[in-house]
Amino acid sequence: EDQVTQSPEALRLQEGESSSLNCSYTVSGLRGLFWYRQDPGKGPEFLFTLYSAGEEKEKERLKATLTKKESFLHITAPKPEDSATYLCAVQARGTGNQFYFGTGTSLTVIP
Amino acid sequence: NAGVTQTPKFHILKIGQSMTLQCTQDMNHNYMYWYRQDPGMGLKLIYYSVGAGITDKGEVPNGYNVSRSTTEDFPLRLELAAPSQTSVYFCASTQVTGELFFGEGSRLTVL
Repeated sequence: EDQVTQSPEALRLQEGESSSLNCSYTVSGLRGLFWYRQDPGKGPEFLFTLYSAGEEKEKERLKATLTKKESFLHITAPKPEDSATYLCAVQARGTGNQFYFGTGTSLTVIP
Repeated sequence: NAGVTQTPKFHILKIGQSMTLQCTQDMNHNYMYWYRQDPGMGLKLIYYSVGAGITDKGEVPNGYNVSRSTTEDFPLRLELAAPSQTSVYFCASTQVTGELFFGEGSRLTVL
């Protein structure tokens, strides 16, 4: 069964304190791995897509990386406005374009 | 550009009542999805559609129905509402494969 597990469930950082969020997955043939940001009361907003092991994507203070079993979302020198829930999703081959989501990591950045 | 629009944003339903959550997108996307999001449970796929006239069940379809008569619209019907259907419902769309575009969500309470 295809599964996506995110850790930690919650993370509190001081402003400027870098850290990483983890997304581990077990799918039979990865088609793509996606990172989303979700603010309270809003729909998820797309951040990155990764397709193959070794791939990296960057956007401002965020950097996503991918291995054969997991992905990391690195947050460098976070600011309070980075506080949000970060969701990971995978799309597996042969699943009719379905996306499977993890339960998310709730990030709080304290000024 | 409106993107994905969901209505209503909030609704309270009595047990046994029925209602339809509306979703429309203006990006000419073929793929549309309905997810529900419960605290600590992540996003669970209810139904999805790969084009007008084609729908398929996701992980948690029981108690719901969908139709896709046009490319733009993908309504979700709740029949005989139960308290277990209290949740936040998100509609999303994408083109072929790639990032999902989400609506703002419909917050449903069944009492």
